[in-house]
Amino acid sequence: EVQLVESGGGLVQPGRSLRLSCAASGFTFDDYAMHWVRQAPGKGLEWVSGISWNSGSTGYADSVKGRFTISRDNAKNSLYLQMNSLRAEDTALYYCAKGGFLYFDLWGRGTLVTVSS
Amino acid sequence: QSALTQPASVSGSPGQSITISCTGTSSDVGGYNYVSWYQQHPGKAPKLMIYDVSKRPSGVSNRFSGSKSGNTASLTISGLQAEDEADYYCCSYAGSSTLDWVFGGGTKLTVL
Repeated sequence: EVQLVESGGGLVQPGRSLRLSCAASGFTFDDYAMHWVRQAPGKGLEWVSGISWNSGSTGYADSVKGRFTISRDNAKNSLYLQMNSLRAEDTALYYCAKGGFLYFDLWGRGTLVTVSS
Repeated sequence: QSALTQPASVSGSPGQSITISCTGTSSDVGGYNYVSWYQQHPGKAPKLMIYDVSKRPSGVSNRFSGSKSGNTASLTISGLQAEDEADYYCCSYAGSSTLDWVFGGGTKLTVL
């Protein structure tokens, strides 16, 4: 079955760090770019970060640039998001998404990150 | 990276057609033919409905269509059905030398 399963979310204090993971299955992981997209409670979607198939290119939203780092391990069919210096406004459901050419054609169910003291 | 502009809500009766607009700039919607649309039901993950402005993924009903003129893209749903009631988000590639995407604020579709 083609699927993405996120993990690693939880409650974290402001200023602390958290690492999200996304396990991919059912497709050739290293053929595709991968992304993180988040959705704050009751709000819309926000693209967070993306990485090319070979990790040669990465991109970040201005809101997370310098604090978040995206990476992947093609041998483990896994995508990661290292989140440092977390802020209350980073509270959201974080989705892992598979890249089509320049769109997102498969989404996980998300992992919830809550930043609060 | 300013969000694309969508109407907060639209509504229509079963069988009718509705159109959701998505306005950006020449740096995103107007600059690339890489607009995509996503449907999200409450508590569910988004689902790709349209990509590359007007292409439908396999399995998506042909009642869904997309178009673009200048800096504004549009999603049209014809023959509205109750199950179409959901939130819809547009998204545009916005990167020139880097990976960069921008979403719209989302539109709540109500089927009356």
